[in-house]
Amino acid sequence: EVQLVESGGGLVKPGGSLRLSCAVSGFTFSSYSMNWLRQAPGKGLEWVSSIDPSSGYIFYADSVKGRFTISRDNAKTSLYLQMNSLRAEDTAVYYCARNYENRRYYYSDIWGQGTMVTVSS
Amino acid sequence: DIQMTQSPSSLSASVGDRVTITCRASQNITNYLNWYQQKPGKAPKLLIYAASSLQSGVPSRFSGSGSGTDLTLTISSLQPEDFATYYCQQSYNVPRTFGQGTKVEVK
Repeated sequence: EVQLVESGGGLVKPGGSLRLSCAVSGFTFSSYSMNWLRQAPGKGLEWVSSIDPSSGYIFYADSVKGRFTISRDNAKTSLYLQMNSLRAEDTAVYYCARNYENRRYYYSDIWGQGTMVTVSS
Repeated sequence: DIQMTQSPSSLSASVGDRVTITCRASQNITNYLNWYQQKPGKAPKLLIYAASSLQSGVPSRFSGSGSGTDLTLTISSLQPEDFATYYCQQSYNVPRTFGQGTKVEVK
């Protein structure tokens, strides 16, 4: 069964740090790019970051560039998001998703259930 | 960044209705467009990629069309399980921006 399970969310003070994890099973993790996306309470979806299978190509949204770091461990079939200098506006449900590539078309075809991050004093 | 604008932001419809949602891009994205469905408290689900390709397992009442800057999602006959929020997302370049969402509600 294909599964993406996020963990590591919680309550953190502004300026604090948090590391999210996404444990993957059911497909060959090392063959796929992966995404982090988020959704603030009552708001729409926002793409946060992407990483290719070999960690050679990494992209970030401007809103998190310089504060967040995406990484992966193919041996552990896990994706990570290190979040530093957190702000109130980073409060959201964070999703990991498989970034499927089909003839240069990219889409998030498998999603985790999400983990909530709350930044508040 | 490419701005994606969906219309309408919400709509009321009845079971059996034909529903059309439009996504307008701020520049030509050819057919690099995905559509997702999200229900409250759940992760989004991919419906359509490459503007008109139906994801495996998605009912054929969902279809996508268009190219360039104006693309559409159509539900040919709305079913009870289709009441949800729908998002478009461009995959033409990074950042992969989303529309603001269209909430389909019961009339």
